[in-house]
Amino acid sequence: QQQVKQSPQSLIVQKGGISIINCAYENTAFDYFPWYQQFPGKGPALLIAIRPDVSEKKEGRFTISFNKSAKQFSLHIMDSQPGDSATYFCAASDYGQNFVFGPGTRLSVLP
Amino acid sequence: NAGVTQTPKFQVLKTGQSMTLQCAQDMNHEYMSWYRQDPGMGLRLIHYSVGAGITDQGEVPNGYNVSRSTTEDFPLRLLSAAPSQTSVYFCASRSTGNGETQYFGPGTRLLVL
Repeated sequence: QQQVKQSPQSLIVQKGGISIINCAYENTAFDYFPWYQQFPGKGPALLIAIRPDVSEKKEGRFTISFNKSAKQFSLHIMDSQPGDSATYFCAASDYGQNFVFGPGTRLSVLP
Repeated sequence: NAGVTQTPKFQVLKTGQSMTLQCAQDMNHEYMSWYRQDPGMGLRLIHYSVGAGITDQGEVPNGYNVSRSTTEDFPLRLLSAAPSQTSVYFCASRSTGNGETQYFGPGTRLLVL
């Protein structure tokens, strides 16, 4: 019940295209859903986060879509750039407690 | 602010050896945690602490010990290293409360032979 599933495992997108990464969870107590971006050799860094009281959050080219009834959320990267090439992790936590992470998606944006 | 710092960056151990991975943060965060990252498995919580003197186990605590004597430091000890502990270890910190940003250190890459 604590698991967070993430797909795809890897993703290749052309420059300017849209990258979409999907996550699903089981625990209905989760109330905070962040996305992390990790470059090789670096620690993960918070990219964008959402709470279940909204269905969408946008920050620049990055958008989270949230479907509470389906227990799914996704990250959309618009106008993908080679600099976006990284590994992306979705995560979930309940009431500020510990985080559960998805297995990650390796994104490659081709120039 | 230096944020979250970790030492060493890379370490090679032989099976059975012990070592301590260091983690420090200068943001006065109450909550600190250790994760291990393995290919295809995301980040898994090893141990965490909600304040000095308070620690608890995460998802994969076996073979690891922690202590929290100060707010700033949260070392992770490998008691008797095993090849299964070959991984990249990340320390993280954040303020307590719902939705606080979690900051990660740069990681320690550990190879156990």
